[in-house]
Amino acid sequence: QSALTQPASVSGSPGQSITISCTGTSSDIGGYNYVSWYQQHPGKAPKLMIYDVNNRPSGVSDRFSGSKSGNTASLTISGLQAEDEADYYCSSYTYITTGIFGGGTKLTVL
Amino acid sequence: QVQLQESGPGLVKPSQTLSLTCTVSGGSISSSGYYWTWIRQHPGKGLEWIGYIHYTGTTFYNPSLKSRATISVDTSKNQFSLKVSSVTAADTAVYYCARDFKGGYCGMDVWGQGTTVTVSS
Repeated sequence: QSALTQPASVSGSPGQSITISCTGTSSDIGGYNYVSWYQQHPGKAPKLMIYDVNNRPSGVSDRFSGSKSGNTASLTISGLQAEDEADYYCSSYTYITTGIFGGGTKLTVL
Repeated sequence: QVQLQESGPGLVKPSQTLSLTCTVSGGSISSSGYYWTWIRQHPGKGLEWIGYIHYTGTTFYNPSLKSRATISVDTSKNQFSLKVSSVTAADTAVYYCARDFKGGYCGMDVWGQGTTVTVSS
């Protein structure tokens, strides 16, 4: 099964908002409300930022929000900060493999 | 708080079996509702879900590994392990263990630091 589709890179200036898309199929994103997003800084382990489409774990800033429409999920980061510069991965449940990730998006804070 | 730590050889020869262990500290691996997961990341690439195990022994694997992966649990040691047989250079990656608090529905909230495994003769 192919990975979920994410843009390779996005960028924004401090204080701005950006959105990262994640496109799948009806077998994964479109079929379940089990989409999660992970932040990964270089050389570090991923960190869970969003689960179940739009829920934030305790301790994650409310500047991070998630949504879904059809087969596409989105992560929005508002009030961009330098520390947000990282790679972001979406993930979805799928009955085929249980878990599938997107290819990752590199966020650059200009 | 719960912490995970991967351990195992950093270098494995082609055709041999890769063996890694994840030690859970600060909590019990037998806690209900958690699935203990292995994920890998090829150099400069994205994440790949390998599989998970529940403390009762229930497992699920990514079919892409073509039955080469085996995950087991040792509740007495609070550890779970990964074996990948018949490795090739394509198995070179950083291997992460993680806790899925969503019962296998993509909610990995605790991760190990990752361990690099290189397949080379």
